[in-house]
Amino acid sequence: NAGVTQTPKFQVLKTGQSMTLQCAQDMNHEYMSWYRQDPGMGLRLIHYSVGAGITDQGEVPNGYNVSRSTTEDFPLRLLSAAPSQTSVYFCASSLQGGNTIYFGEGSWLTVV
Amino acid sequence: GQQLNQSPQSMFIQEGEDVSMNCTSSSIFNTWLWYKQEPGEGPVLLIALYKAGELTSNGRLTAQFGITRKDSFLNISASIPSDVGIYFCAGQLGGYALNFGKGTSLLVTP
Repeated sequence: NAGVTQTPKFQVLKTGQSMTLQCAQDMNHEYMSWYRQDPGMGLRLIHYSVGAGITDQGEVPNGYNVSRSTTEDFPLRLLSAAPSQTSVYFCASSLQGGNTIYFGEGSWLTVV
Repeated sequence: GQQLNQSPQSMFIQEGEDVSMNCTSSSIFNTWLWYKQEPGEGPVLLIALYKAGELTSNGRLTAQFGITRKDSFLNISASIPSDVGIYFCAGQLGGYALNFGKGTSLLVTP
């Protein structure tokens, strides 16, 4: 009963470092997305994918890259971390056309 | 994305009281969703609404999709301590992306 799995749970980076947040789902969902959650801001969409090989930008894509080589995996890459990217990151997935979106447990990222 | 206004921002109530929170938008949505998030966890779906005017219950929770398609409310009856958390509304127009409200933080004292 894995659902949406994110790793790592916690990460501290130095400014300028790069890293990848991993996301995997075992529900054969076509749609996957990444959100960031900041205090008082709710959740904001970074990037999303409607299927393998297809990605698109959300509301706050700058500083992040994504790829979707398989249905199961949707990694989020920070190319050169900045303190403004300190946040909690959530990966989510759903069936094509489905309204029930499942979230992972979150990845807490601090950039110092 | 479209801005959702969620209110109140926070609520501090006693166990047994009823709770009401709402969400409004300047744009219409085809779907309204209500999520609960507990500390250290991701949001969990509570109720999904698919038609204007729809009223849906899930245990002590009741939510309605506004007739104008620009608003929704969530009621919690007879609150208990485990209702503590942040409640988010989310609107979905088409496609897959959700537009989230900023959340209502609920604290329940025994």
